[in-house]
Amino acid sequence: GDSVTQMEGPVTLSEEAFLTINCTYTATGYPSLFWYVQYPGEGLQLLLKATKADDKGSNKGFEATYRKETTSFHLEKGSVQVSDSAVYFCALSRTALIFGKGTTLSVSS
Amino acid sequence: GAGVSQSPRYKVAKRGQDVALRCDPISGHVSLFWYQQALGQGPEFLTYFQNEAQLDKSGLPSDRFFAERPEGSVSTLKIQRTQQEDSAVYLCASLPGTSGREGYEQYFGPGTRLTVT
Repeated sequence: GDSVTQMEGPVTLSEEAFLTINCTYTATGYPSLFWYVQYPGEGLQLLLKATKADDKGSNKGFEATYRKETTSFHLEKGSVQVSDSAVYFCALSRTALIFGKGTTLSVSS
Repeated sequence: GAGVSQSPRYKVAKRGQDVALRCDPISGHVSLFWYQQALGQGPEFLTYFQNEAQLDKSGLPSDRFFAERPEGSVSTLKIQRTQQEDSAVYLCASLPGTSGREGYEQYFGPGTRLTVT
């Protein structure tokens, strides 16, 4: 069945460091792909999405490109901030969302 | 505007008790989903409604779990005879379209944290 695998955390970075969180998926066809973020004490919210191959989603300095050749949707940010500390979930959509296990990011100043 | 709301935010139940969790979706949203999120895991699908019709309940882990959305707006997830393995955060999400295939954003509520003792 469909599944999402993302890198284990926690990821600990200093402010202004480069971030990559790997995400790969297994699915039939070409589902839409998402990154959701969960800030401490808050609900899940959409960070970015891509609906077809080679699309790049971007928001708040984060980017991810839908790569069907490698079935990947890695999340990147060039310079992280303390306020980016959160749990990040990669997901694909069928009728419902199928999520990875989440990656905790901790950024220190 | 108001987002998705859930109540209660926290619920402690003794093993064997029945619980009812409420979700108020964004007004006018056609689709409503329930997910279960165990500690340290990603959310897992439980059930899906389109208006008042429950179109998919394949994720419900046992017949102790029951969900309804009788008027196509508010939804209730009921768990009968709770067990310790039911301890999790239960998330509700809604979206204006009829499914997630088109890449529409799902809007999540804050969740209900259920602890079964």
